[in-house]
Amino acid sequence: DTGVSQDPRHKITKRGQNVTFRCDPISEHNRLYWYRQTLGQGPEFLTYFQNEAQLEKSRLLSDRFSAERPKGSFSTLEIQRTEQGDSAMYLCASSLGILEAFFGQGTRLTVV
Amino acid sequence: AQSVTQLGSHVSVSEGALVLLRCNYSSSVPPYLFWYVQYPNQGLQLLLKYTTGATLVKGINGFEAEFKKSETSFHLTKPSAHMSDAAEYFCAVSGVSSGAGSYQLTFGKGTKLSVIP
Repeated sequence: DTGVSQDPRHKITKRGQNVTFRCDPISEHNRLYWYRQTLGQGPEFLTYFQNEAQLEKSRLLSDRFSAERPKGSFSTLEIQRTEQGDSAMYLCASSLGILEAFFGQGTRLTVV
Repeated sequence: AQSVTQLGSHVSVSEGALVLLRCNYSSSVPPYLFWYVQYPNQGLQLLLKYTTGATLVKGINGFEAEFKKSETSFHLTKPSAHMSDAAEYFCAVSGVSSGAGSYQLTFGKGTKLSVIP
């Protein structure tokens, strides 16, 4: 097992374009989280899945953001009509229990 | 509601000196507390965690932290700094945030540790 994998590692997009990120969690982990980290800040929670069900969404997750986890395996995070304020590192984490989340290396999004 | 305050956005120590990174938390439920390390352009790696029981917890790479409920603190220490310890360190708290039981992490803003040779 190679840990949590995120793709792409870097994405540059023009304002107004749509982008999609992928996260492959550790295979037996039923919990999956998305976080956003801006420069000089700690990660902030975006959303949580247990298996395929999206059970919690932060108020940071505006209507332009959508996340899925079909069949409880990989997850995607889509941002529609990107804005410059969306520029950040998007981190995915997975866990089996509640006490140790394993993080991927993140996708760094730059909106120009 | 939960929150984390990390005192000092940047700490510099000499190689071989004591490392002390401060973290105070606020939580309405008994907290689970964590320290993560992040190297440039990388994800986060768990250093150590406190759940219940012994208040002094040991982690990887010689780090340890002590949970002090009366002070709502969870400071991270290492007796002797090594050049490879230079990184950003994040303190985090979790607890049941809603009926969904997500146990998501609430992070502090981080402390960047520099090690001077």
